[in-house]
Amino acid sequence: DTGVSQNPRHKITKRGQNVTFRCDPISEHNRLYWYRQTLGQGPEFLTYFQNEAQLEKSRLLSDRFSAERPKGSFSTLEIQRTEQGDSAMYLCASSLSSGYSYNEQFFGPGTRLTVL
Amino acid sequence: AQSVAQPEDQVNVAEGNPLTVKCTYSVSGNPYLFWYVQYPNRGLQFLLKYITGDNLVKGSYGFEAEFNKSQTSFHLKKPSALVSDSALYFCAVRVISGSARQLTFGSGTQLTVLP
Repeated sequence: DTGVSQNPRHKITKRGQNVTFRCDPISEHNRLYWYRQTLGQGPEFLTYFQNEAQLEKSRLLSDRFSAERPKGSFSTLEIQRTEQGDSAMYLCASSLSSGYSYNEQFFGPGTRLTVL
Repeated sequence: AQSVAQPEDQVNVAEGNPLTVKCTYSVSGNPYLFWYVQYPNRGLQFLLKYITGDNLVKGSYGFEAEFNKSQTSFHLKKPSALVSDSALYFCAVRVISGSARQLTFGSGTQLTVLP
């Protein structure tokens, strides 16, 4: 399968613990995005990388959230000191930039986080 | 700021009938518009996009969408619905100019096709 993959698919943690999610984009894609989706809502943008550079961060991304894409391939999203409000589906997407064209984003299956 | 509205939380249609899922948008520049579909426990799947050119865009699985600049709408349509089309549909927008690369999504419309 050459699509976007995310691990783990499910994570249950206790309030105050740290969690880390991984995203492996489609191999030739240079752009990678993180979104958060809560029940009954559309995905909300969190952050975006072009290659290894983190170019945009949403105001939704508090200081407890950090994302990396160290070699421009896979990415990790870490949430420190989790809160119950962090419970959501975390989606990763990737796309291929090419000049001025805008290519669609391909989404992974998501990581569902439950904070108890 | 860019935004997307999907005015219907739920759309029910009989199998074989035409379907429409509505989307309106608000942006300060020219928009890129997208439709995605989400099946239970799966990620979003791309259906179609409007970038420029012909206002009628054809996409996957027989879906199409019509861009209407004067009404700022991008409704999703299919001439004959299938039960397997039942899913959650999201409209999304991004402005063409500027540095922002993220998509802004609507809240989604649950489509149910009744046999």
